[in-house]
Amino acid sequence: GNSVTQMEGPVTLSEEAFLTINCTYTATGYPSLFWYVQYPGEGLQLLLKATKADDKGSNKGFEATYRKETTSFHLEKGSVQVSDSAVYFCALSDIGTDKLIFGTGTRLQVFP
Amino acid sequence: GAGVSQSPSNKVTEKGKDVELRCDPISGHTALYWYRQSLGQGLEFLIYFQGNSAPDKSGLPSDRFSAERTGGSVSTLTIQRTQQEDSAVYLCATTRTGKNTEAFFGQGTRLTVV
Repeated sequence: GNSVTQMEGPVTLSEEAFLTINCTYTATGYPSLFWYVQYPGEGLQLLLKATKADDKGSNKGFEATYRKETTSFHLEKGSVQVSDSAVYFCALSDIGTDKLIFGTGTRLQVFP
Repeated sequence: GAGVSQSPSNKVTEKGKDVELRCDPISGHTALYWYRQSLGQGLEFLIYFQGNSAPDKSGLPSDRFSAERTGGSVSTLTIQRTQQEDSAVYLCATTRTGKNTEAFFGQGTRLTVV
């Protein structure tokens, strides 16, 4: 069945460092791909999305490119801030059922 | 409503009791999902509604878990004869159509079984 695999955390970085959080997926066809973020004490919210191959989603300085050849959707940011500390979830929308399938989440900790 | 509303926000129950968790979706959102988030774990899919029907309930852990949705709106997740391993945060999310659209999450219900 469809699934999402993302790197385990926590990822610990200093402020202004470069961030990559890896995400790969297994799916039939070409699902839509998402990154959701959960800030401390808050609910999950959409960070960015891409609906077809080679699309790049971007928001708040974060980017992710839909790569069908590597079945990946890695999250990147050039310069992280302390306020980016959160748990990041990669997800896909199952084509047949529209079910949202999430990865296990990656905790990011940014220190000043 | 303005957002997805879940109630109660916290629930402490004794082992063996039944609990009901409620989700009020954003008005007009036809798709509704229930997930479970255990401490240190990711989001575990439980069940998905499109309107009042549940095309996918494959994630319900056991027959102690059930869910319904009425009027294409409010959904209730019921856990019978609760066990300690049921302790988790139960999240509800809704989308307009379920197709490639943003999911809006509630704040969750933190369930503690003692």
